[in-house]
Amino acid sequence: KAGVTQTPRYLIKTRGQQVTLSCSPISGHRSVSWYQQTPGQGLQFLFEYFSETQRNKGNFPGRFSGRQFSNSRSEMNVSTLELGDSALYLCASSFRQASGANVLTFGAGSRLTVL
Amino acid sequence: AQTVTQSQPEMSVQEAETVTLSCTYDTSESDYYLFWYKQPPSRQMILVIRQEAYKQQNATENRFSVNFQKAAKSFSLKISDSQLGDAAMYFCAYRTYNTDKLIFGTGTRLQVFP
Repeated sequence: KAGVTQTPRYLIKTRGQQVTLSCSPISGHRSVSWYQQTPGQGLQFLFEYFSETQRNKGNFPGRFSGRQFSNSRSEMNVSTLELGDSALYLCASSFRQASGANVLTFGAGSRLTVL
Repeated sequence: AQTVTQSQPEMSVQEAETVTLSCTYDTSESDYYLFWYKQPPSRQMILVIRQEAYKQQNATENRFSVNFQKAAKSFSLKISDSQLGDAAMYFCAYRTYNTDKLIFGTGTRLQVFP
């Protein structure tokens, strides 16, 4: 079974630009969540999607947005990039269980550098 | 709001020895899950072990076990017979029922010496 695939793995942008990151979940997983990892703030939750609906959103400005497609693939977009947006962006997918015992599987991340 | 605290930024252990990583959390929920994730230099976050709050029995996975104290809101990870491959950042995480929103601690960097 293929794991969670994130593309691109590395990218460099300049301030003011926008970026789109992609996440393909494990086959059969309909829940996708995104996290930002920085040395200063640690791991912070961005969004959670299930069946194309945003179920949860973290405390990030409106420049951060996301969506999920009918095939469960998800994208996140950051507009008007700032230096502080430099981070590792992690995506995770899970198979929603009635018991609530979802286990998240993470991708390898997308490393964004903003210059 | 729920919080997760890891008070040990760094720990070290000798190969074959045992080490315990600490984690405390705060929540007013009664149903929740706790996790330990490992993040090696490759950056891939790997699930080490999980604990359902309603289960009193401590979870174990081979050399990894937890000491879950629900009343004290404590969730420590014990690694027995440490191996060089155990060297990584370890994150304690909390999740409420039926959501994928994980709340992470700040992490503990574990070094393993031969």
